Amino acid sequence: DTEVTQTPKHLVMGMTNKKSLKCEQHMGHRAMYWYKQKAKKPPELMFVYSYEKLSINESVPSRFSPECPNSSLLNLHLHALQPEDSALYLCASSQRPDFPSGNTIYFGEGSWLTVV
Amino acid sequence: DAKTTQPNSMESNEEEPVHLPCNHSTISGTDYIHWYRQLPSQGPEYVIHGLTSNVNNRMASLAIAEDRKSSTLILHRATLRDAAVYYCILRGMTTDSWGKLQFGAGTQVVVTP
Repeated sequence: DTEVTQTPKHLVMGMTNKKSLKCEQHMGHRAMYWYKQKAKKPPELMFVYSYEKLSINESVPSRFSPECPNSSLLNLHLHALQPEDSALYLCASSQRPDFPSGNTIYFGEGSWLTVV
Repeated sequence: DAKTTQPNSMESNEEEPVHLPCNHSTISGTDYIHWYRQLPSQGPEYVIHGLTSNVNNRMASLAIAEDRKSSTLILHRATLRDAAVYYCILRGMTTDSWGKLQFGAGTQVVVTP
């Protein structure tokens, strides 16, 4: 099973709402990632978790709050978003961060977020 | 962070080989060269990676220049399903850089029947 599952596939939320994006993998990976992708642009790294601890935050606004409750799950909590935050949010995972170099990153199909 | 330069787009006929170039003149000794592709409405998908030697797998081949300042992804026989954006990415393996798979603009590959 080389799958990263993201839910929901589509989400529409108002600027005052609180919602969450969820990501799950059962490959035993200990590194998990959130990326944001605007239309016709490459994915941009947001957060990296290593052994369930936040290791990289690419200066993401605090209205995005990641959480890694266990080694298989990764959440992205959303609050007070702006219309410009509408994008495809991609979750990914890879093997242990200390695994021999070059290990593959597996991506989910993404959650399409629209902020109205 | 080391950057990559790729052509915006390339077109190929079906069943023909496709050679996708990537320049990475500021590559460091610990950077691996990764290629991912993204089909429409899907997440990126791993294609191949290498450090110094040429690499082959079932999807593609990766040819790395001797000075490592450039590389070429080779799709041996393009199919319509290979139409995607192909990203050449440098991935550092130091403690600070291992987590940063940072995408450049990529090359849009168009395959014509």
